[in-house]
Amino acid sequence: GAGVSQSPSNKVTEKGKDVELRCDPISGHTALYWYRQRLGQGLEFLIYFQGNSAPDKSGLPSDRFSAERTGESVSTLTIQRTQQEDSAVYLCASSPFGQLSYGYTFGSGTRLTVV
Amino acid sequence: GQQVMQIPQYQHVQEGEDFTTYCNSSTTLSNIQWYKQRPGGHPVFLIQLVKSGEVKKQKRLTFQFGEAKKNSSLHITATQTTDVGTYFCAGRNNDMRFGAGTRLTVKP
Repeated sequence: GAGVSQSPSNKVTEKGKDVELRCDPISGHTALYWYRQRLGQGLEFLIYFQGNSAPDKSGLPSDRFSAERTGESVSTLTIQRTQQEDSAVYLCASSPFGQLSYGYTFGSGTRLTVV
Repeated sequence: GQQVMQIPQYQHVQEGEDFTTYCNSSTTLSNIQWYKQRPGGHPVFLIQLVKSGEVKKQKRLTFQFGEAKKNSSLHITATQTTDVGTYFCAGRNNDMRFGAGTRLTVKP
């Protein structure tokens, strides 16, 4: 597609429920990243996918968080047993080549509110 | 681990004044990128600096990469209301780390 697409744009869920967030990267972009941004805060790295290599999961805050990506296509970020502290905007970004010399293109994010 | 610090956290200027945000890394960086996030929007890539001492300009924006490749700055000349937003630096060593951002507000 023309840009990075994320869905849903907004999600309100009850504490303890599971949620699944989706990211459609730009076609041909081999690298995909997930970030979390709390209100008024910076970008917190969560996970990074590069092609078919093992993902870099070093930023996932707990085992309630997991992400998948099949090849160079769609990625899903799953948060199990959501907590109020998980409320944030979850941003997905993609870039043409691994961790090299290209800027990231961000999606518009999913605003998650846990009530 | 690698840390990227960005100052100031907030900056409020009168339209027409200059603005500068600074980014410092605890480790030498292979490159640094700058992003702008408008209120309610998502970060948008502005530029990447790779070489020691590199200076790049985009109209009223001037980006610098330090000689030691540990610091960088973004300077905006004669700010306009359209410059409002949060400016993030992102430094790459083994991986990419974003600074906390500088939120710029401009009074007309």
